[in-house]
Parts: sequence; C-alpha cells; structure tokens
Amino acid sequence: DGGITQSPKYLFRKEGQNVTLSCEQNLNHDAMYWYRQDPGQGLRLIYYSQIVNDFQKGDIAEGYSVSREKKESFPLTVTSAQKNPTAFYLCASSISPGLARYTGELFFGEGSRLTVL
Amino acid sequence: GQQVMQIPQYQHVQEGEDFTTYCNSSTTLSNIQWYKQRPGGHPVFLIQLVKSGEVKKQKRLTFQFGEAKKNSSLHITATQTTDVGTYFCPMEYGNKLVFGAGTILRVKS
Repeated sequence: DGGITQSPKYLFRKEGQNVTLSCEQNLNHDAMYWYRQDPGQGLRLIYYSQIVNDFQKGDIAEGYSVSREKKESFPLTVTSAQKNPTAFYLCASSISPGLARYTGELFFGEGSRLTVL
Repeated sequence: GQQVMQIPQYQHVQEGEDFTTYCNSSTTLSNIQWYKQRPGGHPVFLIQLVKSGEVKKQKRLTFQFGEAKKNSSLHITATQTTDVGTYFCPMEYGNKLVFGAGTILRVKS
C-alpha cells in the first residue's frame, strides 16, 4: 500500500542529546514537510522540501536540521540547541506545487511523539 | 508571518445538533483545504476548494469558499460522536500550507 511512514512512534531522550526522526514515503511525491504540534495547538512548519537535495526553513527551524538525499526520505534531526523539543512531530508529503497551480493534498504519517526527560 | 484565523477555538455540542467553523484570511487565497484530526491521531485531508463561491458536500459535511476567496466554512449537520476531533483549514502562502490552531469539536451523547 502507498503511504508515509514515521518512526519511532514514541521516543524519549535526555537533555543535550540529538535525536533523528525518520520519515519515508512511497507515494512518489516530490514535496515533503515536517510540522510540530504542541498540545491544543495547531501545526507549525519546521522545514519543507520540494525536490531532492533542496529544502527550505519553515517558521520554526531553529534547533532542527533535515536532509533530502533521496526522494522517498526526509529525516528530521532535533538537536540539543532546540530549547523545548517535547512535542508531537508530523511528517507529510504532497505532489510538487510546481506541477500544479497550488499545493495538493497533504498525506500525513502517524507522527512521532518526542519526550525530553 | 501569515496567520490563519479560525473560530470558534472550541465547541461542545449535543449529539444531533449542527456545528459550523469559520476560517478567515486577510489576503485573497488561491485555494483552501480542510483537514480533520481525531484525538491522538494525525490530520486527514477532507477537501480542497478552489473556485470563488464554491460549495461542496460530503454526506453531512458542507464546505463553502467565500465569493472573495478570503473565508471558508465547514458545516456539519446533525453531529455524531464520530465527528469529534480538531478541524483545520490551512491556507497556502508561497507554496507552504500554514495551519492555525483549528477548532476542537466535542460531542455529548
């Protein structure tokens, strides 16, 4: 089945440690996104990528890093520089906005819930 | 930065009552999407509206895009407990979808 897979589902880390969240899609989508969600709040964009080997900062990129070496993969690293990393992280993909007049439907993974102890 | 204004922030209704949530933008939009996120789940796409004044229906859900393409609404007729969740109307700004806080819907049975 086509879809988007995030791992791990739950992750605990100590302060000062970096952690990498995995996001893989087999939908052949060019665009991929990382959002952060805090309890009772909306989704805030961290990074997005519209094509392999290229990505842009979203609204809250500080303390995070990404790579896009393959079309199907868009891992997110939460670094020790991120002041308040405990949150629910959501990865999504869509057809490239460049192929349409506007961004298409976002397909979300099930999310990764990170807790910093 | 860009902001998505959605009201109400929270609504608690009796099962069988109708429910409406509204989204507003200060700028003209090319399109608007709607998503539903169940408690503990991830957002799931409901619909995309692109034409001025467009109205689309999905069973008990009615979606509308304003004539000026600056606002949109989602109306649920006769709510059911399965409608519980947060409804988002992300707006597109420069190939990015910007999500607001959404409207949290709770349904009393």
